[in-house]
Amino acid sequence: GAGVSQSPRYKVAKRGQDVALRCDPISGHVSLFWYQQALGQGPEFLTYFQNEAQLDKSGLPSDRFFAERPEGSVSTLKIQRTQQEDSAVYLCASSKGGSQGAGFGPGTRLTVT
Amino acid sequence: AQSVSQHNHHVILSEAASLELGCNYSYGGTVNLFWYVQYPGQHLQLLLKYFSGDPLVKGIKGFEAEFIKSKFSFNLRKPSVQWSDTAEYFCAVNGLGGYNKLIFGAGTRLAVHP
Repeated sequence: GAGVSQSPRYKVAKRGQDVALRCDPISGHVSLFWYQQALGQGPEFLTYFQNEAQLDKSGLPSDRFFAERPEGSVSTLKIQRTQQEDSAVYLCASSKGGSQGAGFGPGTRLTVT
Repeated sequence: AQSVSQHNHHVILSEAASLELGCNYSYGGTVNLFWYVQYPGQHLQLLLKYFSGDPLVKGIKGFEAEFIKSKFSFNLRKPSVQWSDTAEYFCAVNGLGGYNKLIFGAGTRLAVHP
């Protein structure tokens, strides 16, 4: 079956621009996670949804980062007024429940110039 | 701070050599442990996981890992690597600050030469 998909796969933004990154989870998966992976590092947790409810946003690095999942399926991660330090790969994962067994998408590589 | 440490950042092996990648975590409570692999140009894939029971777990492609609770370790092993094992390997733990987030190590980049 189809896995987690993300779009765009690559995004170049000028510093100060807003960006929106999309995640399509596996159909029927109630849990959805966003991670940020900086170059040479492991993924770092950003936020977690159970259906449409954002249950944990403790990893969002600043109030410029905002995530939503209004209908409990597709999710969007929005970054306002992008900064160079936001350059990273943004990974989405989904699961039937909890972080164990979550399948990851291919990621969106964001480069802020 | 709660963290996951991977001891080797880069490992270079010849085909047929044995592999052991170290992973330690800093938390005394109940955790679930994972190894993920990322092949060049591909997304993260689960290699194996440990929740409870036999501390020696077997995963895909001949990989195995052993959970040693007293050492807070979950090392990944493979008796004989192949060129196709060239990839980046990430150890991950949940239970550190909640079961709804995975905490990853920094990764080990493995290069296998034919």
